[in-house]
Amino acid sequence: QMQLQESGPGLVKPSETLSLTCAVSGFSISSGCYWGWLRQSPGKGLEWIGSIGHTGSTYYNPSLKSRVTISVDTSKDQFSLKLRSVTASDTAVYYCARHPYYGSRAEWDYWGQGTLVTVSS
Amino acid sequence: QSVLTQPPSVSAAPGQKVTISCSGSSSNIGNNYVSWYQQLPGTAPKLLIYENNKRPPGIPDRFSGSKSGTSATLGITGLQTGDEADYYCGTWDNSLSAPFVFGPGTKVTVL
Repeated sequence: QMQLQESGPGLVKPSETLSLTCAVSGFSISSGCYWGWLRQSPGKGLEWIGSIGHTGSTYYNPSLKSRVTISVDTSKDQFSLKLRSVTASDTAVYYCARHPYYGSRAEWDYWGQGTLVTVSS
Repeated sequence: QSVLTQPPSVSAAPGQKVTISCSGSSSNIGNNYVSWYQQLPGTAPKLLIYENNKRPPGIPDRFSGSKSGTSATLGITGLQTGDEADYYCGTWDNSLSAPFVFGPGTKVTVL
């Protein structure tokens, strides 16, 4: 059974960089599919942040693109999120998840449990 | 402000049926597949329906999905107390905005 697990600091100071890692078990990232980050805050619901393919191709939400970097380490079956220059509005539960396809057929079939990140000084 | 519209809440008694609508446009639902997610309190979303009407392994046939034009519907029959959750629709959007879009969610209450 495939599992995803987020890890990273739960508290980030304003203007600093939020960094999270998602460890994948039960499936090899290099086998395929796309791996993404989403977040959920009370005011905005579910929001897609960006995705990365197993070959390293990246896709970002245009509204966050200038601040986001997603990378993958296939040797460790992990992928990571960096969100720069955070503000209080970036406070949310962050999820990592898998989507088998990128495009019209896209759905999110496996999710991590989520991790709350609070932006505060 | 989501590009997809869902009712904020629906409710019914145990054993009854509820339907949740998800309305969009030709740039999203009208030309792409719809998926549905169940989020129990304090947990991550879980895929219930994909490609409009397909259920992943382990999802009971009490849950069904359909799509017509620019709208989609999730149906839950034989409502159980364990079905109390938030339900989200999701789809691809062909416009210049973020390609993955989700509805604002619908809270299902079992009376």
